[in-house]
Amino acid sequence: DGGITQSPKYLFRKEGQNVTLSCEQNLNHDAMYWYRQDPGQGLRLIYYSQIVNDFQKGDIAEGYSVSREKKESFPLTVTSAQKNPTAFYLCASSTTSGVDTQYFGPGTRLTVL
Amino acid sequence: GQNIDQPTEMTATEGAIVQINCTYQTSGFNGLFWYQQHAGEAPTFLSYNVLDGLEEKGRFSSFLSRSKGYSYLLLKELQMKDSASYLCAVSLPPPGAGSYQLTFGKGTKLSVIP
Repeated sequence: DGGITQSPKYLFRKEGQNVTLSCEQNLNHDAMYWYRQDPGQGLRLIYYSQIVNDFQKGDIAEGYSVSREKKESFPLTVTSAQKNPTAFYLCASSTTSGVDTQYFGPGTRLTVL
Repeated sequence: GQNIDQPTEMTATEGAIVQINCTYQTSGFNGLFWYQQHAGEAPTFLSYNVLDGLEEKGRFSSFLSRSKGYSYLLLKELQMKDSASYLCAVSLPPPGAGSYQLTFGKGTKLSVIP
């Protein structure tokens, strides 16, 4: 079954701790993305990657970091520098960047206590 | 600018037709997507328009007018399961280096009532 997986679905962390969110896809897509969604707001782009070993900052990259060592995987680290990390995080992928349909994983809801 | 505007909320009756509008003020436009998102879940793809006109897919249709910066999503024969948020997203060039990206509106929360 092809798709995008994110784990875990719910994550709780103490303030000041870094946390890494997992995103894996087996769709053979080149491009992958991380978005953040807050109540009453649209999806906002954190980072994206067009190809392995390359990634670009999105609109709200401060306090986040990513890596793209494998085509299938695009983990997101929420660092202690992120001021308001509590949010719903969505990972997506597409065949190529920006012009093709993006398909989303189920999301991770991060709560920082 | 990259303003993408949609109504915040709409209510419609089961079996009826509803039209959700989306307007955008952009340059370098390269296509418009509609997604459906149920509460607490991931967005799922509904439609893509890049040329002017109407695209029909079963009970859902999407229209685009590039010259007017306007799109709508039309839902027919509404069902209770259509209660969800509907997200309009526009493919735009990046401000600097990089590739085209999607910019999302804030979404329209549709409530279908009996």
